[in-house]
Amino acid sequence: AQTVTQSQPEMSVQEAETVTLSCTYDTSENNYYLFWYKQPPSRQMILVIRQEAYKQQNATENRFSVNFQKAAKSFSLKISDSQLGDTAMYFCAFMILGGYQKVTFGTGTKLQVIP
Amino acid sequence: DGGITQSPKYLFRKEGQNVTLSCEQNLNHDAMYWYRQDPGQGLRLIYYSQIVNDFQKGDIAEGYSVSREKKESFPLTVTSAQKNPTAFYLCASSTAQGAPGNTIYFGEGSWLTVV
Repeated sequence: AQTVTQSQPEMSVQEAETVTLSCTYDTSENNYYLFWYKQPPSRQMILVIRQEAYKQQNATENRFSVNFQKAAKSFSLKISDSQLGDTAMYFCAFMILGGYQKVTFGTGTKLQVIP
Repeated sequence: DGGITQSPKYLFRKEGQNVTLSCEQNLNHDAMYWYRQDPGQGLRLIYYSQIVNDFQKGDIAEGYSVSREKKESFPLTVTSAQKNPTAFYLCASSTAQGAPGNTIYFGEGSWLTVV
């Protein structure tokens, strides 16, 4: 069975500072994707960043970047220059490729950006 | 506009009643998913489907049923056997496994309350 663990239920960061959210996963599969999703109070799920497991280069999207350590099964999200609009729940997710395409989410980290 | 449409946005159910949540997508995606989210919690997988007329139980399928008669549609029925159905329900879809740029897209969700 696949599991995704987010060990930080809540975090806070000062506006303009940098924060890192952690995520670890467990799988015996070798071919998969990893995602970070943001869920603001509106409850809409918004894709932040995606990483293909076969790519060694860490994905980057503007102020968002990941540190993907495949051997350690770790997938942390770094948010630089934090903005008030970054306040949200952040979910790490894992998609297996091959067989049934099941997608598993972590329990989330609630991030508060403080002015 | 392409996307995933969930309806209704808010639904109230009396105890003992079955209710059906609608999910329609016009993204031409093969895979579709239903998740349940309880307040302050993560997403738990109820059912998922790779292709028409085929679906698999997720982690919390008891008390729920689905159908996949059309590629575009994946309705979820919350039956009277579901003892605690009050929650936020999210429908999602994605392209076929291994497709380049595979990403999970979400609808806006449906709130179900038992009265």
